[in-house]
Amino acid sequence: EAQVTQNPRYLITVTGKKLTVTCSQNMNHEYMSWYRQDPGLGLRQIYYSMNVEVTDKGDVPEGYKVSRKEKRNFPLILESPSPNQTSLYFCASSFDPRTSGLHTDTQYFGPGTRLTVL
Amino acid sequence: GQNIDQPTEMTATEGAIVQINCTYQTSGFNGLFWYQQHAGEAPTFLSYNVLDGLEEKGRFSSFLSRSKGYSYLLLKELQMKDSASYLCAVNEDTGRRALTFGSGTRLQVQP
Repeated sequence: EAQVTQNPRYLITVTGKKLTVTCSQNMNHEYMSWYRQDPGLGLRQIYYSMNVEVTDKGDVPEGYKVSRKEKRNFPLILESPSPNQTSLYFCASSFDPRTSGLHTDTQYFGPGTRLTVL
Repeated sequence: GQNIDQPTEMTATEGAIVQINCTYQTSGFNGLFWYQQHAGEAPTFLSYNVLDGLEEKGRFSSFLSRSKGYSYLLLKELQMKDSASYLCAVNEDTGRRALTFGSGTRLQVQP
């Protein structure tokens, strides 16, 4: 089954304790992205990756890191989490229409990770 | 940046038709998406418009007018399971291809 998976689905942690949220897709997508969703603010992009070893900042990158060592995986790293990073996080992936020839680059979302930082 | 506006909440009756509007202001445009999101779940893709006009897919249709910066999602024969948030998202015409989302419209379908 084609899907985007995230782990963990739920996490409660304390300020300053490093954590990693994993994201994996089995659709051979080039493009992957992380969003956070907060009430009244909608989904906002944190980081994205156009392909292996190519990553860049989105709209709200402060306090986050990412890596893309393999095409299928795109982990989100919080080196020193703070309470303002309490949120619902979504990973998404899509084809790159520049290389795939598809007319649309519909993004498919993982199930979400609900993070609480105390 | 972009500004995307959609109503916060709507209520409709089972079996009826509802139209959810979305307006956007952007310096670049490379397509508009509609997603459905049930509470606490992932957004799921509903429709995509890049050219003006109506795209129909079963009970769901989406319309786009690029000159007016306007789109709507039309849901017909409403079912209780259609109670969800509906997210309008614009693909910026930039290299990073981020989706910029509106805050979503929460639709409540009543019996």
